[in-house]
Amino acid sequence: AQKITQTQPGMFVQEKEAVTLDCTYDTSDQSYGLFWYKQPSSGEMIFLIYQGSYDEQNATEGRYSLNFQKARKSANLVISASQLGDSAMYFCAMRELQGAQKLVFGQGTRLTINP
Amino acid sequence: DSGVTQTPKHLITATGQRVTLRCSPRSGDLSVYWYQQSLDQGLQFLIQYYNGEERAKGNILERFSAQQFPDLHSELNLSSLELGDSALYFCASSFGLAGAAEQYFGPGTRLTVT
Repeated sequence: AQKITQTQPGMFVQEKEAVTLDCTYDTSDQSYGLFWYKQPSSGEMIFLIYQGSYDEQNATEGRYSLNFQKARKSANLVISASQLGDSAMYFCAMRELQGAQKLVFGQGTRLTINP
Repeated sequence: DSGVTQTPKHLITATGQRVTLRCSPRSGDLSVYWYQQSLDQGLQFLIQYYNGEERAKGNILERFSAQQFPDLHSELNLSSLELGDSALYFCASSFGLAGAAEQYFGPGTRLTVT
């Protein structure tokens, strides 16, 4: 069974600093995808970034990058130059690329950016 | 705006009642997924439909059922509601079954059972 672990329940960071949100995963599948979603206080789930298990390069999307270390089964999200609007819950998720397409989520990390 | 719509936004009802949550996927998306987000269980996958057919089931209670209609909108029916069913229910959609297509989430329906 797939499992996602986010060990940081909460993080506090100064504005403009970079922040790394940790995510480790467990799966016996060879082919899978890793996702990060942002959930602001308004409640919606916003897709941030995707990394495929066979992708050799780390994914990047603007200020977001995914530090993918396959051997360590980690997929940490790095946010550069944090902004006040980055304050939110962040969820790491994974999905098999074959078979059921469900997302399995971690428990989330609440990120607070201080001015 | 993800392009996925969900109605209603909020729902307050009493224990024992039945409710229906509605989801319209993004234009062109054939897959619809339902997720439940509660304080104690976190975000959990409930069920997936693809082009009208059930494709995968997660931790969905027998009191819950869903369907996807020919126009691809989906409904999640929750019956004999209990206090523990209070949660945020998300619908997500994606284009197909295979590959790395991300799932786009709707704004959610917040259900409160009193």
